[in-house]
Amino acid sequence: EIVLTQSPATLSLSPGERVTLSCRASQRLSGSYLAWYQQKPGQAPRLLIYGASSGATGIPDRFSGSGSETDFTLTISSLEPEDFAVYYCQQTATSPGTFGQGTKVEIK
Amino acid sequence: EVQLVQSEAEVREPGESLKISCKGSGYNFATYWIGWVRQMPGKGLEWMGVIYPGDSDTRYNPSFQGQVTISVDRSINTAFLQWISLKASDTAMYFCARQSPAYYKASDYWGRGTLVTVSS
Repeated sequence: EIVLTQSPATLSLSPGERVTLSCRASQRLSGSYLAWYQQKPGQAPRLLIYGASSGATGIPDRFSGSGSETDFTLTISSLEPEDFAVYYCQQTATSPGTFGQGTKVEIK
Repeated sequence: EVQLVQSEAEVREPGESLKISCKGSGYNFATYWIGWVRQMPGKGLEWMGVIYPGDSDTRYNPSFQGQVTISVDRSINTAFLQWISLKASDTAMYFCARQSPAYYKASDYWGRGTLVTVSS
């Protein structure tokens, strides 16, 4: 089973700041089977990034993804108030796939 | 419009059985994997397993193998998650999600979740 480790567990930031979240895989991921999701309290997750670096439909340009093999990054260029949430990475290189444990981005 | 509509919240006692559902509409249900995700109170997302409605091919993550059963009824475009004997530790929100091959199997559509409470 591929284990995904996200860091940090929590980030305390102010609106307008740049955010970089990390996701490290225990094994090399084939292709680009790495996705990022945002989840707000009481809501289902929302797909942000797929294929490690492609934005899903309707996702603002301030969200971007990068990385390959075992190291992946989600960047939010300038935090908006609605971006305070929990972010999860997910690998789908294996079936059924696994999630990281999440990074909470909270208001400082 | 693509939709995944999940069944309503359930309350059961330990030892009871339960089957919750996820009905897909607005797309060719048979050709997209459907997955189930557990979220325990205040915790993260756990991918339980997936099923391909076209041939009922089912895969489980090791932690959930033997603990739950994932099934599908293509005639009503519905996937199911079933327990034979619930435990208090099964208390959680359960989401279904569609895996999109166009998105490298990322989940582009999600149900709103079914809250399962197991308590005596």
